Amino acid sequence: SAVISQKPSRDICQRGTSLTIQCQVDSQVTMMFWYRQQPGQSLTLIATANQGSEATYESGFVIDKFPISRPNLTFSTLTVSNMSPEDSSIYLCSVEDLSSGRAINTREQFFGPGTRLTVL
Amino acid sequence: QKEVEQNSGPLSVPEGAIASLNCTYSDRGSQSFFWYRQYSGKSPELIMSIYSNGDKEDGRFTAQLNKASQYVSLLIRDSQPSDSATYLCAVGASGGSYIPTFGRGTSLIVHP
Repeated sequence: SAVISQKPSRDICQRGTSLTIQCQVDSQVTMMFWYRQQPGQSLTLIATANQGSEATYESGFVIDKFPISRPNLTFSTLTVSNMSPEDSSIYLCSVEDLSSGRAINTREQFFGPGTRLTVL
Repeated sequence: QKEVEQNSGPLSVPEGAIASLNCTYSDRGSQSFFWYRQYSGKSPELIMSIYSNGDKEDGRFTAQLNKASQYVSLLIRDSQPSDSATYLCAVGASGGSYIPTFGRGTSLIVHP
């Protein structure tokens, strides 16, 4: 499976500021995903990042708050804008493994190590 | 709203026992089902995928799927303390993107 790295691994930020999280993959992938995992909660999909097109956001998430870039097939960024303490969470990027040539409805997702964000 | 339900636990089992983790889902058309293991402070790690009704075995892990009952389970045989983690069930959406919805996870504690 693909090797995924994220930067930063953790950060403590002040209310009202913005943080950009980077996700790097060691192979080209079509689809990259950004998730949020709040304390004691499961994974919530924020958006799907597609190379060459606008990201697709899930209900409850908007581009102004979580702008996403996807400049190429191995890299994506998620920015958490105008942060508040409610944004304190773990942010995870994931990719689909296409190396096996699976059909889309059987593809597996693999996660990066995550970014632990605390907003004061 | 697609839902994936898991008992949050914790499920406590003695070392060497079989741990049984259960998951139900609402999307009747789902075709893909996944179990992830998440250690505290770490990201989820895929341990099993299952797509057809019945059992799928991989080492000490067995995934069981019953689409008619909308139920998927994970059995861990000969449980070890190192299996102590939160296990997330994920169910692929029917049609379109097939992006999975995750349950809240079941905390498993294997005590010596």
